[in-house]
Amino acid sequence: DIVMTQSPDSLAVSLGERATITCKSSQNVLYSLNNKNDLAWYQHKPGQPPQLLIYWASIREVGVPDRFSGSGSGTDFTLTISSLQAEDVAVYYCQQYHSVPLTFGGGTKVEIK
Amino acid sequence: EMELVESGGGLAQPGRSLRLSCAASGFNFYDYGMHWVRLVPGKGLEWVSGINWNSNNEVYADSVKGRFNISRDNAKNSVYLQMNSLRPEDTALYFCVKEAGSDTGGYFEYWGQGVQVTVSS
Repeated sequence: DIVMTQSPDSLAVSLGERATITCKSSQNVLYSLNNKNDLAWYQHKPGQPPQLLIYWASIREVGVPDRFSGSGSGTDFTLTISSLQAEDVAVYYCQQYHSVPLTFGGGTKVEIK
Repeated sequence: EMELVESGGGLAQPGRSLRLSCAASGFNFYDYGMHWVRLVPGKGLEWVSGINWNSNNEVYADSVKGRFNISRDNAKNSVYLQMNSLRPEDTALYFCVKEAGSDTGGYFEYWGQGVQVTVSS
């Protein structure tokens, strides 16, 4: 199984400041046939279902604000919120879809400082 | 507008069974793989099971293999999760999820609101 390790577990950032979350996979999730990384990011707010933010490690889902960006390749990935807004308070998860079982990171709780 | 509506959750005693249902609308259901993902209290998201567009491929997490069974009915735009031999550690909020592709190995494009399952004596 591919183990996904996120850090930090929680993060407090001032409004307008940058928030950075890292995700490491225990195996390479680069799909050689299309040269894309099988890595997605989700945002989960209390009382709501999780929402897809990023797929293929860096492609923003339609409707997601451009302050959210994803980067990385192979085993090391980053989700960046360039200017934190109040509505970004949530738990963020990375997920690999390179192989079954599909696995998530443990989550990172983002709060306002 | 896309919609996934789960039902069938509730309280069950250890060892008993529950069947979750998910009714889909707003997209061509038969074109997409479908999954169940659960939110475990204090632990985060855990993928449970997936099924491809024509039911030829079913996949399960080791924690539920042999106890849970996923199925779908494309004529009814529905996916199901039969949960047998329930354990307290199955207590979670269960989400029905549409993946981006037709098989069982894609990212999760759209999630239902979730249904609570509590296993306790």
